[in-house]
Amino acid sequence: QQPVQSPQAVILREGEDAVINCSSSKALYSVHWYRQKHGEAPVFLMILLKGGEQKGHDKISASFNEKKQQSSLYLTASQLSYSGTYFCGQAGGTSYGKLTFGQGTILTVHP
Amino acid sequence: NAGVTQTPKFQVLKTGQSMTLQCAQDMNHEYMSWYRQDPGMGLRLIHYSVGAGITDQGEVPNGYNVSRSTTEDFPLRLLSAAPSQTSVYFCASSYSPPADHDQPQHFGDGTRLSIL
Repeated sequence: QQPVQSPQAVILREGEDAVINCSSSKALYSVHWYRQKHGEAPVFLMILLKGGEQKGHDKISASFNEKKQQSSLYLTASQLSYSGTYFCGQAGGTSYGKLTFGQGTILTVHP
Repeated sequence: NAGVTQTPKFQVLKTGQSMTLQCAQDMNHEYMSWYRQDPGMGLRLIHYSVGAGITDQGEVPNGYNVSRSTTEDFPLRLLSAAPSQTSVYFCASSYSPPADHDQPQHFGDGTRLSIL
């Protein structure tokens, strides 16, 4: 079963912040975040392992709350290059070997 | 530094034809997988393999076969193509299965398949 992402789409101006949420009905052991530009392959952003972890690099960070079975991706001071579709994926536990992605969140950053 | 190589990049088939989508990686990754991507559906897992000789089904395996005779190659076979299989197909690999490890997936550039 796929994780559910919200919102489905976000439109920002440069410099604004955004949050993308990912929730699952199954126990999460790890959450994976990827970004995909139109016509290209998905590109790895970060992985969070269970334990209430937070990670970040540059102005993109994420949190993982395994009790709530939720993860959130935070994009601060957005840049034009942040535009794309963001996918969260869940793995581990009874889903060992499977990385199941959500339906994606389309992020558009305007000048 | 090839990474994950998918061939062909584009293909048009007629209903009922068979075809094999090729995927090869040169990173000595044990784990490989196939996804299909359709508008609004995200990436859906078709089949995956945790090592040579071992394969298993993902979320949408019907109509597709796979085998893993070597660590490097993981071909995806469409036995009798149907219009519903029109999609973009991505192959991915990682050092170990995506479970409790922080191993990223490396994606190929995709194969755009149209079935008439």
